[in-house]
Amino acid sequence: EVQLVESGGGLVQPGGSLRLSCVVSGFDFSRSWMSWVRQAPGKGLEWVANINQDGRGEFYVDSVRGRFDISRDNTRNSLFLQMNSLRAEDTAVYYCARALVADTWSNDLWGHGSLVTVSS
Amino acid sequence: DIQMTQSPSSLSASVGDRITINCRASQSIGRYLNWYQQKPGKAPKLLINGASGLQSGVPSRFTGSGSGTDFTLTITSLQPEDFVTYYCQHTHSAPWVFGQGTKVEVK
Repeated sequence: EVQLVESGGGLVQPGGSLRLSCVVSGFDFSRSWMSWVRQAPGKGLEWVANINQDGRGEFYVDSVRGRFDISRDNTRNSLFLQMNSLRAEDTAVYYCARALVADTWSNDLWGHGSLVTVSS
Repeated sequence: DIQMTQSPSSLSASVGDRITINCRASQSIGRYLNWYQQKPGKAPKLLINGASGLQSGVPSRFTGSGSGTDFTLTITSLQPEDFVTYYCQHTHSAPWVFGQGTKVEVK
């Protein structure tokens, strides 16, 4: 059974840091690109970052570049998102997702999400 | 960055209706266009990838079409479980961008 399980969300003050984790099972994590996608309360979806199979290729949306760091540990089937200098507008449910390349790219497998609230 | 404009933002329909949702890219993205369905409180679900590739297990009443800059998701014979929110997404180049979403409501 495929599972992506996020953890690490919670309440953090503006300017603070938080590290999200996503543990994967049921598919070959080490051969998969991965994504983080977020959704602010009552709002639409926003792609945040991608990472390639060996962790050396990283891509970010402009609004988080320099503050967020996507990484992975293939020995632990785990994806991470280190979030620093958090702002109120970073408040969202954060989903990890597999980024599958067939003829084109898509996010075909998703976790249940982890809520991050940035507030004083 | 390539922007996505999805329309309408909401629509009202009845069970059995045929509806279309549109997505326009700010520049050509070939067929790097996906459609997702999201139920309240749940993660998005991939319906269609590569503009027209129906995912395994997705009912055939869902159809995607288009290429270049203009894309359409068509749902024929709406079922009660289809009254949720739909998003397009381009994956042509980073940053990947989602459309604003279309909420399908019961008339």
